[in-house]
Amino acid sequence: EAGVAQSPRYKIIEKRQSVAFWCNPISGHATLYWYQQILGQGPKLLIQFQNNGVVDDSQLPKDRFSAERLKGVDSTLKIQPAKLEDSAVYLCASSLVFGTGGAKNIQYFGAGTRLSVL
Amino acid sequence: GENVEQHPSTLSVQEGDSAVIKCTYSDSASNYFPWYKQELGKGPQLIIDIRSNVGEKKDQRIAVTLNKTAKHFSLHITETQPEDSAVYFCAAAIEGNYQLIWGAGTKLIIKP
Repeated sequence: EAGVAQSPRYKIIEKRQSVAFWCNPISGHATLYWYQQILGQGPKLLIQFQNNGVVDDSQLPKDRFSAERLKGVDSTLKIQPAKLEDSAVYLCASSLVFGTGGAKNIQYFGAGTRLSVL
Repeated sequence: GENVEQHPSTLSVQEGDSAVIKCTYSDSASNYFPWYKQELGKGPQLIIDIRSNVGEKKDQRIAVTLNKTAKHFSLHITETQPEDSAVYFCAAAIEGNYQLIWGAGTKLIIKP
């Protein structure tokens, strides 16, 4: 079974530029998550999709971040314009169903996109 | 809201020795506690989890213990091997809820 695919693996941009990340979840997984992981910290949930609908985007800085999940499969996360403090690894995860605690809720992570904002 | 604290931030042990990582949580409603392992350049991977209706769970060299009264849980790795070197994260959630609250991570170094 193929895992969660993310691209690009690395991105270096200057502040105020725009950047987009792409995620392809495991086939059949209804729930998709975007996390921000700053160096030395645990992942922080930015947004969660259930199929192509947003479940929670309360921690997404909506003035500069946007995300979409077209047709309930692939997803893109965009930052426009980027700030220095956006430097982090952006992780995408997917799970078979919504929720936590069951085998079907296990979140499978991609390798992430490391963003450096100069 | 829930807050998860994890200690130590770095742990260095001799190969073959045991390693223990501890986490505390604040929300007594939390009842699901997973542990993730993150190797360099990879995303986190679930290695073991425990629910509040049990006090201990084992899987080969890995075990997790839970003390609901004290609101803390621990990861125990016995007979450590070089491939155990990674960053380990604990997390807490209310089962059925969607959001995991993560600890800050522990970098485990296995010395040969």
